[in-house]
Amino acid sequence: QTVVTQEPSFSVSPGGTVTLTCGLTSGSVSTDYYPSWYQQTPGQAPRTLIFSTNTRSSGVPDRFSGSILGNKAALTITGAQADDECDYYCVLYMGSGISVFGGGTKLTVL
Amino acid sequence: QVQLMQSGAEVKKPGASVKVSCKASGYTFNDHYMHWVRQAPGQGLEWMGRINPNNGGTDYAPKFRGRVTMTRDTSISTAYMELSRLRSDDTAVYYCARQRVVATLLDYWGQGTLVTVSS
Repeated sequence: QTVVTQEPSFSVSPGGTVTLTCGLTSGSVSTDYYPSWYQQTPGQAPRTLIFSTNTRSSGVPDRFSGSILGNKAALTITGAQADDECDYYCVLYMGSGISVFGGGTKLTVL
Repeated sequence: QVQLMQSGAEVKKPGASVKVSCKASGYTFNDHYMHWVRQAPGQGLEWMGRINPNNGGTDYAPKFRGRVTMTRDTSISTAYMELSRLRSDDTAVYYCARQRVVATLLDYWGQGTLVTVSS
């Protein structure tokens, strides 16, 4: 069974740039998986950041961008701010109506 | 404005079933798939499945097939998720979420329903 992988944790300095990735235990992520990214703060429902690889959701600042880097989907945050410190999840469409979330990345800004 | 209003918290014993509702408003219910996602305490998001309100067609994550049933009542714009044979590790917040454009874009989420499974 293919698993969606994410870095469990990542750290970035305020004002810095960080790239989080979303891969597969078997195979490569492409645009055909329609990778999307969600941001979640404690106690809240997730918020959509990026969908279909690189389309920013309404109201999301352009500090957040999505892409395919090598064999993974990627979320890049530039000019990191303190309130970017939270959990980030990717989700992939596996076909036949099935989606799978990655395990999530806890981002620390310090 | 689009709103998804879920039913309240539940406490169930192991082996029981739970049915969570998600009432949609502010848009045409039949036009958008509804997904269900859960999150165990301190854990990540887990996709459970989705339902097409237009025809009732469902897609379930392999892990939940045989235990989960997603239904809808279009007359009251409400989707339901029923999980049977509950175990302690089913303790989680269960979210409904509306799909838009592509399967991985869930643009509106319910507030979540905490289901606690305990003897």
